[in-house]
Amino acid sequence: AQKITQTQPGMFVQEKEAVTLDCTYDTSDPSYGLFWYKQPSSGEMIFLIYQGSYDQQNATEGRYSLNFQKARKSANLVISASQLGDSAMYFCAMREVGSQGGSEKLVFGKGTKLTVNP
Amino acid sequence: DTGVSQDPRHKITKRGQNVTFRCDPISEHNRLYWYRQTLGQGPEFLTYFQNEAQLEKSRLLSDRFSAERPKGSFSTLEIQRTEQGDSAMYLCASSGRVAGGSSYEQYFGPGTRLTVT
Repeated sequence: AQKITQTQPGMFVQEKEAVTLDCTYDTSDPSYGLFWYKQPSSGEMIFLIYQGSYDQQNATEGRYSLNFQKARKSANLVISASQLGDSAMYFCAMREVGSQGGSEKLVFGKGTKLTVNP
Repeated sequence: DTGVSQDPRHKITKRGQNVTFRCDPISEHNRLYWYRQTLGQGPEFLTYFQNEAQLEKSRLLSDRFSAERPKGSFSTLEIQRTEQGDSAMYLCASSGRVAGGSSYEQYFGPGTRLTVT
């Protein structure tokens, strides 16, 4: 069963405006972590922000903030003051503890393509 | 450059040939992951190493795939008898507790894009 759902295949935003990228997740584990990654056309996955399930406050990193609503199982990414360089694919991911050896592999959604217009 | 590196960046091969990719993780990181990403999808987990031990393999990792991490440093991923369905981006990531940070973030390399003709 898919554990991360990103319902927006594509989003458009004007430069300098804020944009919210949606992510919902499904897990029965009480302890989990949620990540957002940016993937430009070059292909490299760039870590943006992390939210732990027990964190009391929403995570923030510069222009990125994570709107974490635990009861609704959502972890939306908010990008403030969009820049042209923000145009990329954005992936939401959840840390899943493996049954063997304690791996903390990531389970990714299908991504949202963000286009910032000048 | 102290990030994760991967080599080669691009590989074109004919069906049936063997290919090998290399990943050099961040030196302080003891955990190493391989993922595969096909067009229009997010990355999917393939396998996990803690130091030199391969501790988890996905069902996606058929017997044509083998991965190693000798001495717990760099890792290689080999695909034998490649098929067109193996065409994808192969991503390596590493993680581990470093001073002032957490162990949760995985840092990705630039990936190796494989095309099987």
